[in-house]
Amino acid sequence: EAGVAQSPRYKIIEKRQSVAFWCNPISGHATLYWYQQILGQGPKLLIQFQNNGVVDDSQLPKDRFSAERLKGVDSTLKIQPAKLEDSAVYLCASSLLRGPYEQYFGPGTRLTVT
Amino acid sequence: AQTVTQSQPEMSVQEAETVTLSCTYDTSESNYYLFWYKQPPSRQMILVIRQEAYKQQNATENRFSVNFQKAAKSFSLKISDSQLGDTAMYFCAFSDNAGNMLTFGGGTRLMVKP
Repeated sequence: EAGVAQSPRYKIIEKRQSVAFWCNPISGHATLYWYQQILGQGPKLLIQFQNNGVVDDSQLPKDRFSAERLKGVDSTLKIQPAKLEDSAVYLCASSLLRGPYEQYFGPGTRLTVT
Repeated sequence: AQTVTQSQPEMSVQEAETVTLSCTYDTSESNYYLFWYKQPPSRQMILVIRQEAYKQQNATENRFSVNFQKAAKSFSLKISDSQLGDTAMYFCAFSDNAGNMLTFGGGTRLMVKP
């Protein structure tokens, strides 16, 4: 079974530029999550999708971050414009259903904003 | 809002010995789920063990077991017969009864020494 795929693995941009991350969850997984993991901290949930609908985006900085999950499969997370404090690893995870089920994580995208 | 605290930023253990990682949490809910996730240096996070708060019996998965003390809001992870491959960051996480929104602790870096 293929795991959660993310691209790119690394990205370096200057502040005020825009960037987009892509995630392909495990086939058949209805729930998709985007987390932000700042160095030395635990992951923080940014947004949760159930199929192509948003379940929770309460911690997403909506003035600069946006995310979509078209057709309930792949998802993209965008930052525009980026700030220095956005430097982090962005993790995508998926689970079969919404609920207290195991989340399967991708390898993450390490973003550096200079 | 729930909070998860891991008070040990770093720990080390000799191969084949036993180590216990600590986690405390704060919640007003009576039913919820607790998890330990492992993040090896390659950064792909994987689930180690899961505990449902309404179950009094402590969860066990091979060499991994938990000590769940609901009244004390404590959820420690015991790793027996430590192996070099156990070297990783370990995150304690909390999920509400509906399984929404994993809240992670700050992590404990475990080094297993030969």
